[in-house]
Amino acid sequence: SAVISQKPSRDICQRGTSLTIQCQVDSQVTMMFWYRQQPGQSLTLIATANQGSEATYESGFVIDKFPISRPNLTFSTLTVSNMSPEDSSIYLCSVFLSGQGSYEQYFGPGTRLTVT
Amino acid sequence: RKEVEQDPGPFNVPEGATVAFNCTYSNSASQSFFWYRQDCRKEPKLLMSVYSSGNEDGRFTAQLNRASQYISLLIRDSKLSDSATYLCVVNKAGNMLTFGGGTRLMVKP
Repeated sequence: SAVISQKPSRDICQRGTSLTIQCQVDSQVTMMFWYRQQPGQSLTLIATANQGSEATYESGFVIDKFPISRPNLTFSTLTVSNMSPEDSSIYLCSVFLSGQGSYEQYFGPGTRLTVT
Repeated sequence: RKEVEQDPGPFNVPEGATVAFNCTYSNSASQSFFWYRQDCRKEPKLLMSVYSSGNEDGRFTAQLNRASQYISLLIRDSKLSDSATYLCVVNKAGNMLTFGGGTRLMVKP
């Protein structure tokens, strides 16, 4: 299994500012994922963060708005830039672990962001 | 059409009832299928993987029909603690998952 922590757990920010969310995993993983869950909605993948290369963004998400760092195999950050109220959401970090014929995707506790 | 579609519910059932959730997916190349559970204000957690032959874990049974691109989850003898949102999840490519909108279940005494 994997233990994932995120900081901050929640924040209230003013529009136009930026927030950087940290994700720490207790084991080394190749791929880390960042998801967004808007109020009352399911999860949407923002990007895949690979160590040693640029993140891969899904349709509708761009690096200028959501820059990602992946300095090592246990850590990643997601920045929400130039925030607007539409960015109010829960942002979740996730990792994929496989072994002994099984695999599972684990999620961090999420960062609840409110933009005013 | 959404890649993964679920009835959002809510399903309101009494304790002890049997309830079934359905899910359809659009990408016929999808290889892996899962049901996740998400409690209010919590992160999703894997409930069970769904195998072609169907699989059972206690009161939970998952079925996959590749021809119809359809996945189901059956919960028998519902408990109050089963109240949550159940997310149908499909492996899109590599290790990337596509989530359905979720089906909300409320089990009442």
